Amino acid sequence: QQPVQSPQAVILREGEDAVINCSSSKALYSVHWYRQKHGEAPVFLMILLKGGEQKGHDKISASFNEKKQQSSLYLTASQLSYSGTYFCGTERGSQGNLIFGKGTKLSVKP
Amino acid sequence: DTGVSQDPRHKITKRGQNVTFRCDPISEHNRLYWYRQTLGQGPEFLTYFQNEAQLEKSRLLSDRFSAERPKGSFSTLEIQRTEQGDSAMYLCASSLGGLQPQHFGDGTRLSIL
Repeated sequence: QQPVQSPQAVILREGEDAVINCSSSKALYSVHWYRQKHGEAPVFLMILLKGGEQKGHDKISASFNEKKQQSSLYLTASQLSYSGTYFCGTERGSQGNLIFGKGTKLSVKP
Repeated sequence: DTGVSQDPRHKITKRGQNVTFRCDPISEHNRLYWYRQTLGQGPEFLTYFQNEAQLEKSRLLSDRFSAERPKGSFSTLEIQRTEQGDSAMYLCASSLGGLQPQHFGDGTRLSIL
């Protein structure tokens, strides 16, 4: 079951904040977040395990609400380099065979 | 750490032909994954290996698709009797294990004429 991401697209000005959500109808073991720039490979951002933990590095952080089966990615004080498509990948076990959402396209303008 | 390497970068072939792609993972990674990505979609899981053992294969994967990782190092993905719908970017990723970051290669773009 493919997770649902929202919004599908968002346009920001430099310095603005954004939240990207990833929801599943099934119980999840972990959520993985990746960013992909046009014509490039997806790049790993972070993994969150069930337990409701929150992680972050630099100005990008994420949370995992196990009860809601939802993860949110928070981008604060956005930079031009944040532009790209963000994918969440979910798994119900620990094998690593991820099911990715359709992505959220983020555009940061000067 | 030289990253995940995929070859070729592009492949153009006629419908009905067989194609084979190669993936060289990061050397110490024992997990290797194959995904397929079409325009505007996220990567779609195809199969994965733990060392040389193929542990899971997507139910969506036709029997025209086969993958190997004979010595637990590089892997090959073969598509037999290609069809128009096989046109996509084929991505390979590797990791140290489950629940570890997956490092993706740049992919092989397949175009079916």
